[in-house]
Amino acid sequence: GAGVSQSPSNKVTEKGKDVELRCDPISGHTALYWYRQRLGQGLEFLIYFQGNSAPDKSGLPSDRFSAERTGESVSTLTIQRTQQEDSAVYLCASSLGGVWTDTQYFGPGTRLTVL
Amino acid sequence: GIQVEQSPPDLILQEGANSTLRCNFSDSVNNLQWFHQNPWGQLINLFYIPSGTKQNGRLSATTVATERYSLLYISSSQTTDSGVYFCAVAPMEYGNKLVFGAGTILRVKS
Repeated sequence: GAGVSQSPSNKVTEKGKDVELRCDPISGHTALYWYRQRLGQGLEFLIYFQGNSAPDKSGLPSDRFSAERTGESVSTLTIQRTQQEDSAVYLCASSLGGVWTDTQYFGPGTRLTVL
Repeated sequence: GIQVEQSPPDLILQEGANSTLRCNFSDSVNNLQWFHQNPWGQLINLFYIPSGTKQNGRLSATTVATERYSLLYISSSQTTDSGVYFCAVAPMEYGNKLVFGAGTILRVKS
């Protein structure tokens, strides 16, 4: 079946602009995660959605970052007033259940470049 | 918070050689996964292994949860094994995220 998809694959924006990144999880996966990967580094957790529960936003670096998910479908990550330090690859993952019990499957990522 | 340390940071192998990658973590975990990130950036799950030993073809992994480490074995390496190998854990302290190590960069030469 289809894996996790993300769009756009690449996004170049000017400092101060808002951007919206999209993630389509694997059908039936209740858990969805966003991570950020800066060049040459590991992944940083941003936010976690599990079904209709309140999201875990503990990894969001500032109030310029927000994310939404409707039910168990598509999620969007929004970065307002982008800064150059926001440049990174943003990765989405989904899993059947929570991170304690199930494998996470990652999308190809969106490479964001802030000029 | 939990610390996840991977070693070595870099590894260069001749095709056909074997290698062992290590992941140490500083606290109890509910979950441990190994991922391979290929040169195009795609992360592929290799093993979900909170404890015990698993094998998949030329790859195998062992996690000793009581001693807080995991090992990833690559046998008869191929150039397609090149990339970055990440270990990620779900700490018992807070269970909603994976904490990633910095990765091991593997280059396999033909």
